[in-house]
Amino acid sequence: QKEVEQDPGPLSVPEGAIVSLNCTYSNSAFQYFMWYRQYSRKGPELLMYTYSSGNKEDGRFTAQVDKSSKYISLFIRDSQPSDSATYLCAMRGSNDYKLSFGAGTTVTVRA
Amino acid sequence: EAQVTQNPRYLITVTGKKLTVTCSQNMNHEYMSWYRQDPGLGLRQIYYSMNVEVTDKGDVPEGYKVSRKEKRNFPLILESPSPNQTSLYFCASSSGRGGYTFGSGTRLTVV
Repeated sequence: QKEVEQDPGPLSVPEGAIVSLNCTYSNSAFQYFMWYRQYSRKGPELLMYTYSSGNKEDGRFTAQVDKSSKYISLFIRDSQPSDSATYLCAMRGSNDYKLSFGAGTTVTVRA
Repeated sequence: EAQVTQNPRYLITVTGKKLTVTCSQNMNHEYMSWYRQDPGLGLRQIYYSMNVEVTDKGDVPEGYKVSRKEKRNFPLILESPSPNQTSLYFCASSSGRGGYTFGSGTRLTVV
């Protein structure tokens, strides 16, 4: 079993829809949770960074962490064609700088 | 501009010919790391470095070497490349108090 599970999709939604992405994990030591966006032929770009449980909002993006369920989510509101990319979840422990990544979910927003 | 710079972006080489992929960051980050990204396997850590002269193996270190003689540079060395090292490689850096900044990637093909 992988340490971080993420449905690879692909996910296709119409412009303006809400995109919902999620990851589950098994390591209870994870404390820092991240979401990255990766466009084709580019490096991953940090979107959201959260510590422990709770919600964080940044513009159209909302990240949620539920440590009791070992489940994290990313919501994209009012999705745009420019949001079409692969979204990767990543996480690490407090004293461990090694990131564990999900497999990535490919999202297409149709105009 | 804060960034991680990798060179070259694309490289085709032959089996057994030593090569080095350079990585440099201008953010004074202590932590640097190398990942490879393969279809279906996601991002896997090769080596990481907590600071100058401090390096350690990640999940897939076989066939790779690294060095950290200066804080800003973290080259990846393939002493005798083989076709199974054909992949997309990313360097990343972090201050340890936030997310990770990734380079644009190096696409390596070993024939």
